[in-house]
Amino acid sequence: QQPVQSPQAVILREGEDAVINCSSSKALYSVHWYRQKHGEAPVFLMILLKGGEQKGHDKISASFNEKKQQSSLYLTASQLSYSGTYFCGTPGGSARQLTFGSGTQLTVLP
Amino acid sequence: DAGVIQSPRHEVTEMGQEVTLRCKPISGHNSLFWYRQTMMRGLELLIYFNNNVPIDDSGMPEDRFSAKMPNASFSTLKIQPSEPRDSAVYFCASSPRTSGYEQYFGPGTRLTVT
Repeated sequence: QQPVQSPQAVILREGEDAVINCSSSKALYSVHWYRQKHGEAPVFLMILLKGGEQKGHDKISASFNEKKQQSSLYLTASQLSYSGTYFCGTPGGSARQLTFGSGTQLTVLP
Repeated sequence: DAGVIQSPRHEVTEMGQEVTLRCKPISGHNSLFWYRQTMMRGLELLIYFNNNVPIDDSGMPEDRFSAKMPNASFSTLKIQPSEPRDSAVYFCASSPRTSGYEQYFGPGTRLTVT
């Protein structure tokens, strides 16, 4: 089942923080985050594992809510290069298969 | 290291023609994925191979679509016959054997069927 992302779009100024949410109808044991710039391929950012461990980007962090049905991606002190569409991916039939959300379009203005 | 390689990057074809998309995964990766991306449907998984074996093809839209992975360094996605609604960007991604299963995407093939 496709995870639900919110918000659909966000605009912020350079240096501001942003939070992107990814919700599922069932408890998650991992969430993958990717960023896609216009006309380019999605690029892996990080994985959040069920114990809270994170693997990936050093300036972006993520967390689960208490029931592990929602993950939030935290972008602090946003840079212009953070602009793009952010997708969360949740495991499907196997840990390797991902179902992606519909994306959150992030625009960072100078 | 070279990333995932896809060819062609752009393909324009007429309805009814056969289309073959090609992918070379990153060397040493043992999982390969084919995705389709459109504005309406987003990023959809079509098929997933592990160690060259198709594991899940439930995302393949219909019998007009087929995919093969004859060896660890090559995969094809074929559409026959093509239809205008197949127009999309098709991505191939690969994932390493030992990791948190992160996926590395190729640059994509933009397919236009007229």
